[in-house]
Amino acid sequence: DQQVKQNSPSLSVQEGRISILNCDYTNSMFDYFLWYKKYPAEGPTFLISISSIKDKNEDGRFTVFLNKSAKHLSLHIVPSQPGDSAVYFCAASGNSGYALNFGKGTSLLVTP
Amino acid sequence: GAGVSQSPSNKVTEKGKDVELRCDPISGHTALYWYRQSLGQGLEFLIYFQGNSAPDKSGLPSDRFSAERTGGSVSTLTIQRTQQEDSAVYLCASSLRGTGHNEQFFGPGTRLTVL
Repeated sequence: DQQVKQNSPSLSVQEGRISILNCDYTNSMFDYFLWYKKYPAEGPTFLISISSIKDKNEDGRFTVFLNKSAKHLSLHIVPSQPGDSAVYFCAASGNSGYALNFGKGTSLLVTP
Repeated sequence: GAGVSQSPSNKVTEKGKDVELRCDPISGHTALYWYRQSLGQGLEFLIYFQGNSAPDKSGLPSDRFSAERTGGSVSTLTIQRTQQEDSAVYLCASSLRGTGHNEQFFGPGTRLTVL
């Protein structure tokens, strides 16, 4: 069963605009959430994370928002750049703190 | 420093053959993970090693899959009698420790194709 869901397989955004990638989860035991970025033929690279004790974490152009009551998180990229074009994976972990549960990914295309 | 490395980068094999995939984690990382990504799917957890503790094999899909980690460093994932549904990208990751919340660093993956 898919415990982490990314319902949009793809997203296209113009350069300079905001990109919003969404993620939903079903397991209330998840307490740590991460976003990974993946280019073709490369492994995923860590982008940003958030603990369940927070509702927002910001790092430069990237902000992750967490809504625990809705079991929903989102990644905002502002302003979007062509180099941000990649597949973005949402991941979550629970008390065990190790195995990550991944969504299927959202392919972001930022057009000039 | 060097990141996680995996070999081979690509492997094509015939159905029924055995394959071995190798992972070199980041030096000093005590935790090592194997995931696989099938076409159109997210990353699926396979197995986890933490130091000298017994590995968590709960994600291995069948008894044809096994993994070992020698000397707390290099790991080998072995798939016996490969099937076409084993075709996927196999990703290895390592983290400084396995407890608590740690960023996992991924290797580039091995793309396995079973004909």
